[in-house]
Parts: sequence; C-alpha cells; structure tokens
Amino acid sequence: AQSVSQHNHHVILSEAASLELGCNYSYGGTVNLFWYVQYPGQHLQLLLKYFSGDPLVKGIKGFEAEFIKSKFSFNLRKPSVQWSDTAEYFCAVLPGGSYIPTFGRGTSLIVHP
Amino acid sequence: ETGVTQSPTHLIKTRGQQVTLRCSSQSGHNTVSWYQQALGQGPQFIFQYYREEENGRGNFPPRFSGLQFPNYSSELNVNALELDDSALYLCASSLSGTGTYEQYFGPGTRLTVT
Repeated sequence: AQSVSQHNHHVILSEAASLELGCNYSYGGTVNLFWYVQYPGQHLQLLLKYFSGDPLVKGIKGFEAEFIKSKFSFNLRKPSVQWSDTAEYFCAVLPGGSYIPTFGRGTSLIVHP
Repeated sequence: ETGVTQSPTHLIKTRGQQVTLRCSSQSGHNTVSWYQQALGQGPQFIFQYYREEENGRGNFPPRFSGLQFPNYSSELNVNALELDDSALYLCASSLSGTGTYEQYFGPGTRLTVT
C-alpha cells in the first residue's frame, strides 16, 4: 500500500518568509498528486494538482509545487508567505487508475504578522 | 451553485450504537467519497460511490457501509460503534468522467463515541 510522508508537522514563519513543505510518497507507478489546504474554520479545498506534463505546477494564492519523480517528492512552495496563509496543508497521492487517494498527516503552518 | 453539506455537525454516541451521517453533493456532481479524519491525522479514505454503487473501498471493516441516492446525496452508516471511531467524518463530491479528480469537501461531522 502506498504511503505519504509530510515530514514537517508544524511550521512557524514570519510574513514575507519563504515556504517549502515536504511531501514524499511511496508508490512506483503513475501518480496523480495534490495539495489541499484547510484554513481555520473552513472546508478542505484544493490548492493545486499534478497529473502529467510540466512537473512544476502553479496553484491558487501564489503557491506552486514541483514533482520530482526520481525522489518521489511533490514539495509545496511559496516565495513569500502572508498571515492569511495560516492553515493546515495536506499532500495526497492518487495512483493512476485508482479511486483510492492517500493523504499525508498534514502540516500546520502558522504565519506571524 | 451549492457546496457540499453534511449533517449533523456534531454527534455523541455510546459504544455499540449505530450512527448515520448524511451528505449532500455539490450541484452537478455524481460521485461521493467518505473519509475519516482522526485528530492530528490526514483524511483516510473509507469508500466512494458512483451511480449508487460502491466503486472503491479503503481499509475499513464491513460495519462501515454507505448508500448513494438517485439525487447523488449519500449516507455513511457505522454499526457497533467503537471508541476509535471518534473522528471527523468528511464527505467529498466530484464529477467522474472529466479526468480531473477534483474533490469538493464538506465541513464534516464530528463524531464522539463514549
């Protein structure tokens, strides 16, 4: 069974700092990759996704993620965080042809103004 | 366009009881997935329904069952509740056949088993 690791469980940054959240998965075949975000008091929502093509994908609110197949990684980045980016971030992997996604345990990001 | 809604918001049950959680899909969506999210963990896939049939199931025992109705709303039923079933239960709807796999999540139902 595949697994997803998010090594940073809690991240605290000041506004304007750069962000990189790690996501590694264990699955050797074709994968679809996602980052979801849950802002305080809100629903889980899609931030960005990768299916194929350009391994650098851009999402909403200035976020981007890079798929590195050789490293089984899909790290999330943002050059300059804002206080409003305070949220819980989840990485998810969906093997090609499967309906069953696997989520990481999440990273709690706190951005101080 | 209405989003995904779930009811009830919170629920407290006793061990051994049965519970039914409900979900209304986003307008136009034909697929519903259910997840269990324990405290401090990511969502864990329970099962998915498409055209009223279960078409994918995670590592959950048969006492977790579901239904999807013709209007694409859905129920999650859990029998013989155990303390470890205490969690946030999330419903997500999507439109199969588009190849996007984009899911829209509801606010969840917080279940506490005592």
